[in-house]
Amino acid sequence: AQKVTQAQTEISVVEKEDVTLDCVYETRDTTYYLFWYKQPPSGELVFLIRRNSFDEQNEISGRYSWNFQKSTSSFNFTITASQVVDSAVYFCALSEANFGNEKLTFGTGTRLTIIP
Amino acid sequence: ETGVTQTPRHLVMGMTNKKSLKCEQHLGHNAMYWYKQSAKKPLELMFVYSLEERVENNSVPSRFSPECPNSSHLFLHLHTLQPEDSALYLCASSQTRAVARLTGELFFGEGSRLTVL
Repeated sequence: AQKVTQAQTEISVVEKEDVTLDCVYETRDTTYYLFWYKQPPSGELVFLIRRNSFDEQNEISGRYSWNFQKSTSSFNFTITASQVVDSAVYFCALSEANFGNEKLTFGTGTRLTIIP
Repeated sequence: ETGVTQTPRHLVMGMTNKKSLKCEQHLGHNAMYWYKQSAKKPLELMFVYSLEERVENNSVPSRFSPECPNSSHLFLHLHTLQPEDSALYLCASSQTRAVARLTGELFFGEGSRLTVL
């Protein structure tokens, strides 16, 4: 069974501050994929990143960075110099690589509010 | 025109009503999905269609009935719903099921907010 835990239900920070969203996962599979999605107020989920279990290199994309730590089963997401447009609900998700199983297991999401 | 369009955006219905949610994708994708998003719960995958064939049904009650007449359209027919079915219903599509698994690139609509009285 797979599980994704996002312990932070809501976070508020002042604009330009850095903020880290936590994600902890559980899986029995040795090969899996981790994802982050952003859900702005309009409702649609927007794909941000995918990371496979064999690649523990951290990734940076502009103000976004992701820290994958297999030892602690965590895949945290940091926004640097936050902006009001970053306000959204962010979902972490896991997909095991078993044959025929492409289901994404989502966490409950973290609502991020950036205060101007 | 957005990639995945859902109508209606908001729907209020009584427990005895019959209504339908519609999803249309303009991306040429072969796989479409229905997800349920309830407050403080993870997104739940309800149905998966691949090439218009239902390939997955995650123990969803029969009061939810999906229909995929072609690869661009997906419906969710609703009848005799319960108040606990109130949620945001999200439609998504992907190039193929395999692509969704490997890349996570699901393209979501904006959802249909359903309220059951």
